Amino acid sequence: EPEVTQTPSHQVTQMGQEVILRCVPISNHLYFYWYRQILGQKVEFLVSFYNNEISEKSEIFDDQFSVERPDGSNFTLKIRSTKLEDSAMYFCASSEVRNNEQFFGPGTRLTVL
Amino acid sequence: AQSVTQLDSQVPVFEEAPVELRCNYSSSVSVYLFWYVQYPNQGLQLLLKYLSGSTLVKGINGFEAEFNKSQTSFHLRKPSVHISDTAEYFCAVMGYGYSSASKIIFGSGTRLSIRP
Repeated sequence: EPEVTQTPSHQVTQMGQEVILRCVPISNHLYFYWYRQILGQKVEFLVSFYNNEISEKSEIFDDQFSVERPDGSNFTLKIRSTKLEDSAMYFCASSEVRNNEQFFGPGTRLTVL
Repeated sequence: AQSVTQLDSQVPVFEEAPVELRCNYSSSVSVYLFWYVQYPNQGLQLLLKYLSGSTLVKGINGFEAEFNKSQTSFHLRKPSVHISDTAEYFCAVMGYGYSSASKIIFGSGTRLSIRP
């Protein structure tokens, strides 16, 4: 069964460093998403992406964040200058059509020291 | 805009007892509804979803949920729980309409702990 994959599973970085989180969505999906979950809290929407552009972003998704689909398979989330409060689990998701089930990856745990 | 309320942050239940996890939502547009489960140190797994049709939906692992539009609720139930059901359960909604990609709004989660 096709699934969303994410790498790395765990990333540790120093405050102020740039990180790139990678996702490979399901191959025939067209809509892509990033969510995050701070430890002990609920899952929060960050950004949605369709047709090579951002469809919607939350107030969390400030200028420090960017997304890209550099090739036909990867979908990345970049944080330019990490802060302590960026420590969280980041989930990638994809869907075949809009307004339908989103399939989530296993997540990348980001720890900012 | 949509919001989800899970009134119970924790629900302790004895093994083989029934359980109901409550979820209420609010939305100015029509919604799809979901329940996700998160086992310790793992990602999100879809338990069940309501898109349209029958208001009683059945999911994996013996769970079911009923969509009640008048009460704006989508409570999750299981008639007999097992130790393996110990996890965090998230209710979620997606408003559908005009945007080109729809975000999911999650509730704060209910931690289900099963006692032997």
